Amino acid sequence: EPEVTQTPSHQVTQMGQEVILRCVPISNHLYFYWYRQILGQKVEFLVSFYNNEISEKSEIFDDQFSVERPDGSNFTLKIRSTKLEDSAMYFCASSVIGDQGFGPGTRLTVT
Amino acid sequence: GENVEQHPSTLSVQEGDSAVIKCTYSDSASNYFPWYKQELGKGPQLIIDIRSNVGEKKDQRIAVTLNKTAKHFSLHITETQPEDSAVYFCAARNNAGNMLTFGGGTRLMVKP
Repeated sequence: EPEVTQTPSHQVTQMGQEVILRCVPISNHLYFYWYRQILGQKVEFLVSFYNNEISEKSEIFDDQFSVERPDGSNFTLKIRSTKLEDSAMYFCASSVIGDQGFGPGTRLTVT
Repeated sequence: GENVEQHPSTLSVQEGDSAVIKCTYSDSASNYFPWYKQELGKGPQLIIDIRSNVGEKKDQRIAVTLNKTAKHFSLHITETQPEDSAVYFCAARNNAGNMLTFGGGTRLMVKP
């Protein structure tokens, strides 16, 4: 069964640095998402992407965040200048319409 | 916006017993309610979902019920097995978009 994949599995970065988290959604899916989960807290929606543009975003997704689908397979989340509070698991998901399949996550640690 | 509350936060049962996890939601426009299972080191995996035009849905040992009037939905796992041990998340979504709002999660431990 096809799965969402994410790289890297763990990223350590210094405060103020830019990071790019990468995802390969399931190939026939049309909607792409990023969620994050701070340790011990709820999974929180960041952004959804459809037809090469952002369709929804949460208050968390401020100017420091951006998403891109640079080619036909990858979907990326960029954090321009990381803060300590950006440390979390970041999950990519994709769907045809409703049923969202999640990737295994990237653990981002900001020191 | 939508708020989803989930109870209990931890649940311990003996193998073979049933487990019930409950969620409430606040937005009456929500119409899609998935449940996810998250094992250690993995992303959430969809295990069952229910839409607002249905009151109950069953898939082998797993069932979900929805009470739209009371705005709550529940996950029922029967004949639990040690491999059911994981964190379970409920979520809700409305027709206005595709954003899922998650509950806080329930850590289920099934003791052999």
